[in-house]
Order: sequence, then structure tokens, then C-alpha cells
Amino acid sequence: QLQLQESGPGLVKPSETLSLTCTVSGGSISSSSYYWGWIRQPPGKGLEWIGSIYYSGSTYYNPSLKSRVTISVDTSKSQFSLKLTSVTATDTAVYYCVRALGYGFYPSLFDYWGQGTLVTVSS
Amino acid sequence: EIVLTQSPATLSLSPGEGATLSCRASHSVSSSYLAWYQQKPGQAPRLLIYDTSSRATGVPDRFSGSGSGTDFTLTISRLEPEDFAVYYCQQYGSSPRTFGPGTKVDIK
Repeated sequence: QLQLQESGPGLVKPSETLSLTCTVSGGSISSSSYYWGWIRQPPGKGLEWIGSIYYSGSTYYNPSLKSRVTISVDTSKSQFSLKLTSVTATDTAVYYCVRALGYGFYPSLFDYWGQGTLVTVSS
Repeated sequence: EIVLTQSPATLSLSPGEGATLSCRASHSVSSSYLAWYQQKPGQAPRLLIYDTSSRATGVPDRFSGSGSGTDFTLTISRLEPEDFAVYYCQQYGSSPRTFGPGTKVDIK
């Protein structure tokens, strides 16, 4: 059974960089059928797709966050990572790592989710 | 960007009743690429419906989806206790992929 597990600091200071890693187990991160990515959910609010990556390294970002986001993949470790720069309190959220099925060669349908990790931006 | 709106924001029903949740898109959703997710408190969302009307693996047949263009519906035929949750629609017909704000189905 595929499992995704987020890891990283739960507290980040304003203006600093949020860094999270997702470890994939029970399946291959190098599968040609899937994309890997991040979705966030501010407390009590809805879901926002941040971006995704293909095992080859191709990246896809939400334009609203594109200037601050970098997603990378390390297939040898079955991990992919998120970096979000210049964070503010509005970046406080539960961050989920996800697997996406592709439609039209673009990450589309989110069928496996990690449990999520709360990242708070505060001094 | 396609903006999704969901109504109602909250639906208060009793177990055994049917539920009808609406998702409306600001522009037509290409190829009916519309999905529904269920989220229970403290849990990650779970994919329920994709391609407007196809149930994901393991999803009971009391859940059904319909619609096209800009108007989509999730129907739960008879609410079970485990169905009380928040439901989100998501479109994947255009980029960026976007979610609706959710409909909470709670116990009356």
C-alpha cells in the first residue's frame, strides 16, 4: 500500500524559507504514470494546489505561488521536497504531500495523500 | 483560472436522508474533468469521484456524481454516520488545478 509521509519543521519565522520533505514508500516514485506534489490547507479553510513534479524533474507550479516555490525530487531516496521562500503568516497551513494522476500530461487528480503536517509561520 | 463555488456551505441532515451538493464553475470544465473529495476532521482528503461520475476504488455506490459544463452535483443517496464530513470539488480541465471552498454535511 502506497504511503506518503511529510517531514520538516513545524514552525518557521516570517521572511524565512519553509522546507518540507515527503518520503514515498510502498510504491515507486519513478513510475511514469504519476506526479508528486504538495497541497496546503490553512486552518479551517479550503485546499490549494501548490505544485507538482514528475520523476524526471519536470515541475508544475500554481501561478499564485510560482515566484516563491521550488519542488525537487530525489528518486534514489524516494523523496520529493518543497521550498517556499519569504513566508508570512498567510502561509500557515497544513501541508499535504500527494500523488497525482496525470491528465493531458499535467498533474491532475490527487489519489494518495500524506497525513499532513502543520506549519506555523510566527516569530 | 477556473473558480469553483459550492453550495450550500453547510447541509444539516439526519442519517438515512439524501444529500445533494452543488459545485459551479466560473468557466466550462473541459471534458467534465471534475472530482469530489471527502475530508473528515483531522484527516487528509479522500478521492471519492473523478471524471464527474466515476467512483474511486472502494467508494460505496450511495455516492454518485453528475453534471457537465459549469454545473456539477454530488449525491449521497442515504447518509450513513461516516458520511458526515466536508466535501470539496476540484477541476482538472484547465491549469492551475483548483478546488471549491467545500460543503460541510453535518448531523441535524
